[in-house]
Amino acid sequence: AQTVTQSQPEMSVQEAETVTLSCTYDTSESDYYLFWYKQPPSRQMILVIRQEAYKQQNATENRFSVNFQKAAKSFSLKISDSQLGDAAMYFCAYRISYGGATNKLIFGTGTLLAVQP
Amino acid sequence: EAGVVQSPRYKIIEKKQPVAFWCNPISGHNTLYWYLQNLGQGPELLIRYENEEAVDDSQLPKDRFSAERLKGVDSTLKIQPAELGDSAVYLCASSLGSGNHNEQFFGPGTRLTVL
Repeated sequence: AQTVTQSQPEMSVQEAETVTLSCTYDTSESDYYLFWYKQPPSRQMILVIRQEAYKQQNATENRFSVNFQKAAKSFSLKISDSQLGDAAMYFCAYRISYGGATNKLIFGTGTLLAVQP
Repeated sequence: EAGVVQSPRYKIIEKKQPVAFWCNPISGHNTLYWYLQNLGQGPELLIRYENEEAVDDSQLPKDRFSAERLKGVDSTLKIQPAELGDSAVYLCASSLGSGNHNEQFFGPGTRLTVL
């Protein structure tokens, strides 16, 4: 069974600094998607960034980038120039790339990020 | 364009009472998901609909939980009777389809407290 592990329950970063959130996963599949979602106190999950496993290039979205290490099954999120609005719970998630009954997101337990002014 | 709408945002009930949650997906989204999010955990899929058909309900506790999406648009999730352990956030999400490139958009969730 696929599992997603986030080993950092809480992280803290100073405003304008860089922080990296860790995520590891376990799967026997070769083709899949990985995601980072942000969940602020409003509870609305927002997609931050997505990585397709067959792509070697790491995904980037403005201040957000990932370090995808397929062999190590590692998928970390780097937030550069942290802003107060980045404070939230961050979830790493996995999804098999093909559809059907197995097409569902599997989430980690989350990392609570605090941004200090 | 409106996002995924859920109501109510908060619900407090006593154990053994019934409760229902409503979700209206983004217009045109054929796929609808209900997730359960326990405190300090990530969401877990309860059920997924393709239009009006439930195509993955393997994680739905069918003894007390039920869901419907009769016209393939909005959906209702019901618990009857509620137990203390059902206290959690219930998230609804929708996507255009269930294919590879279809992003799931989440609603704000309903926080249920069972006393």
